[in-house]
Amino acid sequence: EVQLVESGGGLIQPGGSLRLSCAASEFTVSSDYMSWVRQAPGKGLEWVSVIYTSGNTYYADSVKGRFTISRDNSKNTLYLQMNSLRAEDTAVYYCARVGKSDSFDIWGQGTVVTVSS
Amino acid sequence: QSALTQPASVSGSPGQSITISCTGTSGDVGAYNLVSWYQHHPGKAPKLMIYAGSQRPSGISNRFSGSKSGNTASLTISGLQAEDEADYYCCSYAGSNTYVFGTGTKVTVL
Repeated sequence: EVQLVESGGGLIQPGGSLRLSCAASEFTVSSDYMSWVRQAPGKGLEWVSVIYTSGNTYYADSVKGRFTISRDNSKNTLYLQMNSLRAEDTAVYYCARVGKSDSFDIWGQGTVVTVSS
Repeated sequence: QSALTQPASVSGSPGQSITISCTGTSGDVGAYNLVSWYQHHPGKAPKLMIYAGSQRPSGISNRFSGSKSGNTASLTISGLQAEDEADYYCCSYAGSNTYVFGTGTKVTVL
């Protein structure tokens, strides 16, 4: 079954760092565009970042310079390195595959990140 | 990037049709035929319902349809069913390798 499984979320203090992982099954992350999307408590979905098959990476202004998206082809896993975390980064983080016509066709179940002292 | 504008809530009775609007700008919705729609039940993964404005992925009921006019995209759910009660989000490619989601609409089946 094609699926994505996120891990790595948790409680972290402001200013801290956290790395999220997203393991893929039945498809290859390096052969598709992959993205991270988050949802803060009581808020809507927010696009965070994308990595293309070329390895080029792009970010929302809200995380640019603090977050880094990457992948490990040998582990078929997507990552999101989050540094200088702020309270407003508190959210459920989803990884998603970018499919036809720039839609997000496969989603993970999400991992919760809470930034609080 | 500013979020696309959706109504906060839409409701309908079983069997009725409802339409959710998604208003962007000439830089996102109006510029590309790359609007997608997602159904999101709380605590679950979002689910792709429509891509490229009006295309349904395999397995999605034909009760769901999408369209676009100018800077506004729309999702119509016909023959409303209890299981359709969820949050719905539009999303558009916004140029410069970025994407923007809508503010979200809570659909209630009366």
